[in-house]
Amino acid sequence: LAKTTQPISMDSYEGQEVNITCSHNNIATNDYITWYQQFPSQGPRFIIQGYKTKVTNEVASLFIPADRKSSTLSLPRVSLSDTAVYYCLVGDALSGSARQLTFGSGTQLTVLP
Amino acid sequence: DVKVTQSSRYLVKRTGEKVFLECVQDMDHENMFWYRQDPGLGLRLIYFSYDVKMKEKGDIPEGYSVSREKKERFSLILESASTNQTSMYLCASRIGGGLGYGYTFGSGTRLTVV
Repeated sequence: LAKTTQPISMDSYEGQEVNITCSHNNIATNDYITWYQQFPSQGPRFIIQGYKTKVTNEVASLFIPADRKSSTLSLPRVSLSDTAVYYCLVGDALSGSARQLTFGSGTQLTVLP
Repeated sequence: DVKVTQSSRYLVKRTGEKVFLECVQDMDHENMFWYRQDPGLGLRLIYFSYDVKMKEKGDIPEGYSVSREKKERFSLILESASTNQTSMYLCASRIGGGLGYGYTFGSGTRLTVV
């Protein structure tokens, strides 16, 4: 099981770039890294997923170094509406038991005006 | 888009009542899950199901049971509600077995047991 470690909370100001790092030292060869976002009173929703190097979509970028023991979610120019909890998950992309995927406590990002 | 619908956003039940939480997904996903979420504890897996009539215990199954008679519907049952089951309950579905397929979550049911 690839256990993940994230900061419990982060504060930022509107317009800044925010980077949230996740450690996953025992990531396996077949594991992918996925990030979810959760707003209060809603279920988590998928943001981005990657295996190595860099992935970018319309919402965020995901940076994964060569050793894959960590990953960084980058949110460009955050706004107040980006205030949410962000979860890092690591698991096999194609198979695996749901029991192996744990969301943990996530990182509470608070964007200040 | 896949939609996962939970029947109630808010519920208040009395201690000892039998409580049913319903979840329906509309995209023929094989995998369905029930989580509970409490402050500081993240999401904890209660039960999951890989197919109709199949179920497996998650990390915290005590005090809960589930039913999956049809592929699109996954019900969580609190046999005798207790105050420590006051929580946010989240249902999710996933088309395949691996993380790569992604979870789709419902909006949650906030259950209060008094």
